[in-house]
Amino acid sequence: SQKIEQNSEALNIQEGKTATLTCNYTNYSPAYLQWYRQDPGRGPVFLLLIRENEKEKRKERLKVTFDTTLKQSLFHITASQPADSATYLCALDMSTGTASKLTFGTGTRLQVTL
Amino acid sequence: KAGVTQTPRYLIKTRGQQVTLSCSPISGHRSVSWYQQTPGQGLQFLFEYFSETQRNKGNFPGRFSGRQFSNSRSEMNVSTLELGDSALYLCASKGADTQYFGPGTRLTVL
Repeated sequence: SQKIEQNSEALNIQEGKTATLTCNYTNYSPAYLQWYRQDPGRGPVFLLLIRENEKEKRKERLKVTFDTTLKQSLFHITASQPADSATYLCALDMSTGTASKLTFGTGTRLQVTL
Repeated sequence: KAGVTQTPRYLIKTRGQQVTLSCSPISGHRSVSWYQQTPGQGLQFLFEYFSETQRNKGNFPGRFSGRQFSNSRSEMNVSTLELGDSALYLCASKGADTQYFGPGTRLTVL
């Protein structure tokens, strides 16, 4: 069965540093991978999507890479700020045909301190 | 555009009861998916509806069901509630490639 792992349950970094979160998956070749941010008690918020034929995607201070050979995605937040503190989820698109289904990792809780 | 709305935001039920949760997608979105989120299992896919038809289903027992109306609003129902059904239930409506989540309904089963 498909498995998706975010190998850090929690990550603490200092303000201004770059946070790097990892997402690994097995037994599947997704069409694309997505990253979401979730704050406590709220629904996930979409951040970035990267397709299987893309190596890298950027949006402001965020960068995502996707290595389909290693079956891994890296998510970077540069110049991190305390407001970036949240749980970050990666999700594989397990869509078949027109039906859609996201399979989520368990998330990495990022804490950015002053 | 208004976002995805879910009602109610909080619910407390007792074991054996049933519950119905409601979701209104973003205007124009026809796909609605439901997810269950618990501390132990994370976010798990329940089912997806599109144009009033269930298109995809996760690995949950038959006590979990749903439906979608012609205006794309969706409801999910859980019958014979168990303690383990306590969770945050999230619905999401699908845009071009991404899913937009609502704030969730926090269900507590006592």
